[in-house]
Amino acid sequence: GAGVSQTPSNKVTEKGKYVELRCDPISGHTALYWYRQSLGQGPEFLIYFQGTGAADDSGLPNDRFFAVRPEGSVSTLKIQRTERGDSAVYLCASGTGRDTEAFFGQGTRLTVV
Amino acid sequence: AQKVTQAQTEISVVEKEDVTLDCVYETRDTTYYLFWYKQPPSGELVFLIRRNSFDEQNEISGRYSWNFQKSTSSFNFTITASQVVDSAVYFCALSTNAGKSTFGDGTTLTVKP
Repeated sequence: GAGVSQTPSNKVTEKGKYVELRCDPISGHTALYWYRQSLGQGPEFLIYFQGTGAADDSGLPNDRFFAVRPEGSVSTLKIQRTERGDSAVYLCASGTGRDTEAFFGQGTRLTVV
Repeated sequence: AQKVTQAQTEISVVEKEDVTLDCVYETRDTTYYLFWYKQPPSGELVFLIRRNSFDEQNEISGRYSWNFQKSTSSFNFTITASQVVDSAVYFCALSTNAGKSTFGDGTTLTVKP
């Protein structure tokens, strides 16, 4: 497809488990962003990739969160030892460069029970 | 620190009414970008507009118009002759050279037939 694709669309996991969320950006987009959105709030920045490297990971809440983009395309957000407070919609976006408009995927709804 | 405030949590109008969504931002950067996104019930954020801090010209796109005023740090969004399909959550966002965006908490617009 032409848009940003995120899989899975929904993920339910037990507290303490490890999860991986995948993002396929728009082809050719060098910038990739991960955001987290809780109910009734705006997206909260997690991490920004320019190419393969994390240009800014200041939004990652703690060391249980990690993201990679090894080939400068697909990105995976990894959460270890999940907690109930991690429940949210995780949004991925891609763009042609920083400060340009970002094209968002439909998100992965993560529920930690 | 950057901050975006959307003081209106919810707005309800009747179809064909005009409606303005307010956005006030805070930043110490002199170069920055402002965005508006629409999030329909499907959940995917849709880009509407991007303005840079040096361009205070108002912009009109069909029924949509935007009023950027640096003197009051505001970037307001007006929908003229609203339609039911305009019902969504609207987010204002601020981005600096860091590449990440800070979002407001959104305004839920309901347009009744």
